[in-house]
Amino acid sequence: GENVEQHPSTLSVQEGDSAVIKCTYSDSASNYFPWYKQELGKGPQLIIDIRSNVGEKKDQRIAVTLNKTAKHFSLHITETQPEDSAVYFCAATLMNRDDKIIFGKGTRLHILP
Amino acid sequence: ETGVTQTPRHLVMGMTNKKSLKCEQHLGHNAMYWYKQSAKKPLELMFVYNFKEQTENNSVPSRFSPECPNSSHLFLHLHTLQPEDSALYLCASRSDGNTEAFFGQGTRLTVV
Repeated sequence: GENVEQHPSTLSVQEGDSAVIKCTYSDSASNYFPWYKQELGKGPQLIIDIRSNVGEKKDQRIAVTLNKTAKHFSLHITETQPEDSAVYFCAATLMNRDDKIIFGKGTRLHILP
Repeated sequence: ETGVTQTPRHLVMGMTNKKSLKCEQHLGHNAMYWYKQSAKKPLELMFVYNFKEQTENNSVPSRFSPECPNSSHLFLHLHTLQPEDSALYLCASRSDGNTEAFFGQGTRLTVV
């Protein structure tokens, strides 16, 4: 089955700097890679996703890159702001209606003032 | 709000109690999931239901019993739990052709 590794577990960056979170996956059949953000007291919410036929995707200050050969993908947040402080999860799955979504362990991102 | 509602938000129960967690979505999704979130662990998939049929049981102990009476509602029945079952239990839903899973806010369960 799929296994997703995520690093680092904790990340502190100065406000305005960039943050990068990296993930690797094991199942080469996985073709959809979402990133979720979980704020305190809430469930995870999708912030960006990428499909296996795309190498990079950007949405304002966040971007995701995918290297299918190496089976790793990364989340990049630029110009970080206090509201970016949260736990971020990467995940891998197949784009089937009921296929399980396997998550990484999460990265707690702290934005320092 | 994501459109997925979980109740209760918090639950404290003894090891001999029986309780149920409820999840409800009116997004028209046909797949629903239970995840367990413990400290310093990945989100652990417990059960998957698709069109009310269970398609995945991820080796979950029998003290957790899911029920999906229709595509909008999902329950997790709990009995004789252990303290290590204390965690945040998250429900999610997803639909055909839409890869995004929508999560509820979770039920924070404490077993005493």
